[in-house]
Parts: sequence; structure tokens; C-alpha cells
Amino acid sequence: GQSLEQPSEVTAVEGAIVQINCTYQTSGFYGLSWYQQHDGGAPTFLSYNALDGLEETGRFSSFLSRSDSYGYLLLQELQMKDSASYFCAVRGSLAGGFKTIFGAGTRLFVKA
Amino acid sequence: GAVVSQHPSWVICKSGTSVKIECRSLDFQATTMFWYRQFPKQSLMLMATSNEGSKATYEQGVEKDKFLINHASLTLSTLTVTSAHPEDSSFYICSALNGVYSPLHFGNGTRLTVT
Repeated sequence: GQSLEQPSEVTAVEGAIVQINCTYQTSGFYGLSWYQQHDGGAPTFLSYNALDGLEETGRFSSFLSRSDSYGYLLLQELQMKDSASYFCAVRGSLAGGFKTIFGAGTRLFVKA
Repeated sequence: GAVVSQHPSWVICKSGTSVKIECRSLDFQATTMFWYRQFPKQSLMLMATSNEGSKATYEQGVEKDKFLINHASLTLSTLTVTSAHPEDSSFYICSALNGVYSPLHFGNGTRLTVT
């Protein structure tokens, strides 16, 4: 089966850097994704890693190590609007296909 | 690119009625779409995988006869909640893939309230 672990809450101050870690278990691996969700809204895509290494998109970066079944999301120059829930999601094999399972989410609180 | 449209964004219905939710991929063809459900302050739970032209694959514990999924074309999947009850009140979100190594792209979700 598939499972993921990520911290439930993280608090940081404006302008700081925060890292949200994610470890996963899956049968077959197609990629690790990160999504942001504000209260009442739908998830929005942040980053996707299919291969080892760092992917950078503006203030957000994501890292993957397939050998360690581990990844993280790095948020730089934190802003108040970054307060939201962040989900890691792993895509693994399903009989005859694949599916994406989400972690429980990390609630990020950004303080002034 | 990779825009997914979901309709309606919210719906209130009476217990015992059925509700249909549509999910469209606007600028790409999606052979596979996924339906998720999210209760307040919880994660997204995969309900089913919708495959164009074939039957949906449901996750364990999801009632096939209650949550009817149809994927009649490469750009449209529908979820029908039949004989809805208050416990079905939730946030339903569809997503689509533009390739197996691509990220999921989500619709804006449908907030269902059953009274």
C-alpha cells in the first residue's frame, strides 16, 4: 500500500525559511508532489519531483531522495499569505494503473 | 495549461435526493480522472479512479452504488451522489492527469451540504 508522514504543524515568522519534510511508502513510484490549500479552497499544485534532486520554483523548492523515500518542501522569504495547509502526495502503482495518495497535511502558521 | 473545471462549486440538497457533479479538463485530454473527498480539517481521501470508456476503480470502503462515476469522454467525468444523506456532506474535488509523470491538476471543488 501507500502511506505518507509529514508534521502536523509548523510555525515560522515572516521572512524566514521553513522546511516541511515528508517520508513515504509506496509500491512503485511515479513521483512526489506538493500542494497548498487555503481554508475553504481547493488544493493548488506547487511542485513535483519524479527524479532525485532539487526543483526550484520561485520562493518554493522541493527535494526528493528516492533511495530514502524522503522529500521536503522549502519555503523561502515567508509571507503571511503562505499560512495554509501543505500536503505531500505520492503516486504509486495500482493494479493495472496508478493512484495518488495524500499525506495528512502540515498546517503552516506564519507570524508577523 | 492543464485547467480543470468543476461544477457546481456548491450545492445544498435534501436528504434522499441525488446530486451530479461535473469535472472537465479544459485544455487537455484526460484518460484518467480522480475523485477525492475531504472532510473539514482532514486530508484528501481518494474515492475512485475514473477511466475513460471503462468502469471506475473504487477505493475500499467507498460504495459503488452510492457514488456513481461516469467518464464518457476524454474531457468529462461525472460523480453522482445518489440518495444523499447528511453524512455525505463534504467537499468533493476532482483532479485530472496530463500524463502519468505529470502532477494532478484539481478542479475548484464542490461543497455538498445535505439537509
